[in-house]
Amino acid sequence: KAGVTQTPRYLIKTRGQQVTLSCSPISGHRSVSWYQQTPGQGLQFLFEYFSETQRNKGNFPGRFSGRQFSNSRSEMNVSTLELGDSALYLCASSLRAGTAQETQYFGPGTRLLVL
Amino acid sequence: GENVEQHPSTLSVQEGDSAVIKCTYSDSASNYFPWYKQELGKRPQLIIDIRSNVGEKKDQRIAVTLNKTAKHFSLHITETQPEDSAVYFCAVPSGYALNFGKGTSLLVTP
Repeated sequence: KAGVTQTPRYLIKTRGQQVTLSCSPISGHRSVSWYQQTPGQGLQFLFEYFSETQRNKGNFPGRFSGRQFSNSRSEMNVSTLELGDSALYLCASSLRAGTAQETQYFGPGTRLLVL
Repeated sequence: GENVEQHPSTLSVQEGDSAVIKCTYSDSASNYFPWYKQELGKRPQLIIDIRSNVGEKKDQRIAVTLNKTAKHFSLHITETQPEDSAVYFCAVPSGYALNFGKGTSLLVTP
């Protein structure tokens, strides 16, 4: 099976712009989670989707949003970009509908640089 | 949310030595504890996990031990090799989220 894929892999934006990142989970996986990784804060949970529904959201401002499509692919959007949004954005997929108590498989990430 | 403390933040060992990384957590309801390895420029990959019905799990040179009473779990790597050099993260579920420790940068020197 193909692994989790993310596009684009690299992105450069300027402050105030918006950005959309895409994640395709492993075939058959229905849960998709998003994480922000920075050197200072480590890996922080953004949100999780299952069956097109957001079930959990981390402690991030409303500028961060996401959605999931019927084929389980997911997108996340960041509006009004700030310098501090520069980070590696990782998505992860898992098979079942339960809690996070199952293996999550990560994509390669999208590295976002905000200038 | 779940509070996960991971120590040490950096660890340097000589090839062949053992390495131990420890994580403590706050939610006693947690019962799944994964460890991820992230090499430079790559994605985090699950290397081992343990569920609360066992106290220890081994996979070749890697083992994880769990003490539910004390709310901590540890990653043990024996006979370390240079390719073990990476950042290691512990994680604890909280609802539908994984809460990660801040990571341990392990350097194995030949």
